[in-house]
Amino acid sequence: GQQVMQIPQYQHVQEGEDFTTYCNSSTTLSNIQWYKQRPGGHPVFLIQLVKSGEVKKQKRLTFQFGEAKKNSSLHITATQTTDVGTYFCAGPSGTYKYIFGTGTRLKVLA
Amino acid sequence: DTGVSQNPRHKITKRGQNVTFRCDPISEHNRLYWYRQTLGQGPEFLTYFQNEAQLEKSRLLSDRFSAERPKGSFSTLEIQRTEQGDSAMYLCASSLQSWGGELFFGEGSRLTVL
Repeated sequence: GQQVMQIPQYQHVQEGEDFTTYCNSSTTLSNIQWYKQRPGGHPVFLIQLVKSGEVKKQKRLTFQFGEAKKNSSLHITATQTTDVGTYFCAGPSGTYKYIFGTGTRLKVLA
Repeated sequence: DTGVSQNPRHKITKRGQNVTFRCDPISEHNRLYWYRQTLGQGPEFLTYFQNEAQLEKSRLLSDRFSAERPKGSFSTLEIQRTEQGDSAMYLCASSLQSWGGELFFGEGSRLTVL
């Protein structure tokens, strides 16, 4: 079945360093979504990418959708302690559901 | 608060007991999802409703699990004869009936089976 993998599984960075998580799907995706889950919280939608090669920015966050629409990345510039959490990508599977990636847990050391 | 509401937030039960979780989605959202999340893992799809119709169920959903959305508004997820492996966070999400819609998650219902 369809799989969505993310690397790395964990990342510890010093505050101010950059962070990148990579998402890879076993199948071509029509779109991809990114969510953030704070410790003890629930997933919160960040963004959706639809077009091949699309790049979107939200302040210090840069999201990219691969040309083949099978991979995506999230890059955070100059991390802050508020960036702590687990970042998930999610791709549509079939007609109705989204399959979530394995997640990358980010810890930011002050 | 107009977000997705789930209750109870925590449930501790003994193995073999039945439990039921309720989800109240955002009022205008036609689509409702149940996911399960265990520690260190991503949300795992369980089932999907469009209005009152249950259109998809995961193969992971054994016959001990049943979900309903009788009037196309709130939904319930029942687990019968609970097992320790059912211990997890059960997340409900809703979205508008549109392609590629953002999922709005509730706070979740954490189940612990002793």
